[in-house]
Order: sequence, then C-alpha cells, then structure tokens
Amino acid sequence: KQEVTQIPAALSVPEGENLVLNCSFTDSAIYNLQWFRQDPGKGLTSLLLIQSSQREQTSGRLNASLDKSSGRSTLYIAASQPGDSATYLCAVTGSSNTGKLIFGQGTTLQVKP
Amino acid sequence: NAGVTQTPKFQVLKTGQSMTLQCAQDMNHEYMSWYRQDPGMGLRLIHYSVGAGITDQGEVPNGYNVSRSTTEDFPLRLLSAAPSQTSVYFCASIPTGHYTDTQYFGPGTRLTVL
Repeated sequence: KQEVTQIPAALSVPEGENLVLNCSFTDSAIYNLQWFRQDPGKGLTSLLLIQSSQREQTSGRLNASLDKSSGRSTLYIAASQPGDSATYLCAVTGSSNTGKLIFGQGTTLQVKP
Repeated sequence: NAGVTQTPKFQVLKTGQSMTLQCAQDMNHEYMSWYRQDPGMGLRLIHYSVGAGITDQGEVPNGYNVSRSTTEDFPLRLLSAAPSQTSVYFCASIPTGHYTDTQYFGPGTRLTVL
C-alpha cells in the first residue's frame, strides 16, 4: 500500500530564507506527483505537477524535484515571503493512473516578517 | 467559469441524521471525486466517478453514498451521520483522459457531527 510522508510537520522561518520541504513515498511505481498549497479554511491549489518521467518542475520561486527510485520529492522555495505561509501538501498518483491521489499529511509553513 | 463549487460551507448534524453535500463543476470534467481531510491524516479518497452513471469506492467509503446522474454534479450522501464523520470534505475534478493534469479542488464543506 502506498504511503506518503511529509517532514517536517511544521516549519517557521524568517522572511527571505530559502527552504526545502520534503515528501517521501513507499512505492516508486507512481504516475505523477503533485504539490498543493492550502490556505487556512480554503481548498487546495495546485502548485506543481511532475510526471514520473520528469526530474523537476519550476514555477517562479518554486522548484520541485522528483527522485522516483528513492521515493523522494522536494519542494524548494526561494526567498520566502510572509505570503508563502500556508500548508503544503504532496500527493502521488499510482502507476495505474486512475486519477486517485494519495496525500501526505502536509507541512505547515510560517514565514515571519 | 466558477470552477468547482461546494455547498454548504459549514454544517452541524446530530448523530443519526442524514444529509447531502453538494458538488458541482462547470468545466465539463468527466472525472470527479470526494476526499475527507482530518487533522494529521492528510486527505483520503472516499468515492470517485469517471463519468455520468459510473462511480467507484475509494479508500474510506463506509457510511457514504454517491451517484452521478449528470456530468456537472456529484453529490455525497451521509445516510446516518456518526461523530467519526466530523471532517472537512473536498470535491475535486479533472478532465476526461487527462489524468496527467492537475486536479481542481472545491473550497470544502466543514461538517461537525454531534
């Protein structure tokens, strides 16, 4: 059974710092991996989607990497801002590609001014 | 486009009551799904549908029913609410055959069962 783990559960950093969020999964047979952002009391917003054949994806100050063989992904946030404060979730789609997402527990990020 | 909409935003039920959580999307997406989010457990799939008239169970289907009579709507029914169903419920959708695409999530329904 696929399990997704995110470490740390919470992170607090000063504004301007570069940071890395970690995501690991137990079964390397995935179709893709997505990173989502969730603001308090809100739904999920997709940040980056990495196909299993890709190594990384970039969007603005965000860079997500994928190492399928080791079952790991990282989300790198450059020059963090208070507006980046939110919960970040990673989720994988299994190799059968049914659209079902398996989520990690999330990392809650606080960026202090 | 309004995207994925969910109603109500908040709901309080008593144990044993029934209710329907509504989900609608105006993007003509064939695939729709329901997740629940509990503290410290991430989101877990309840039920999903790959098109009108087709539904299937996810990871935690017990206590929930779904039907899909139209492409736009995918309601989630709680037949006899239990305190263990206190959670935040999210509906999501993706285009047909585009499982490589990102999923679009609704704003959620926060349900409390007393």
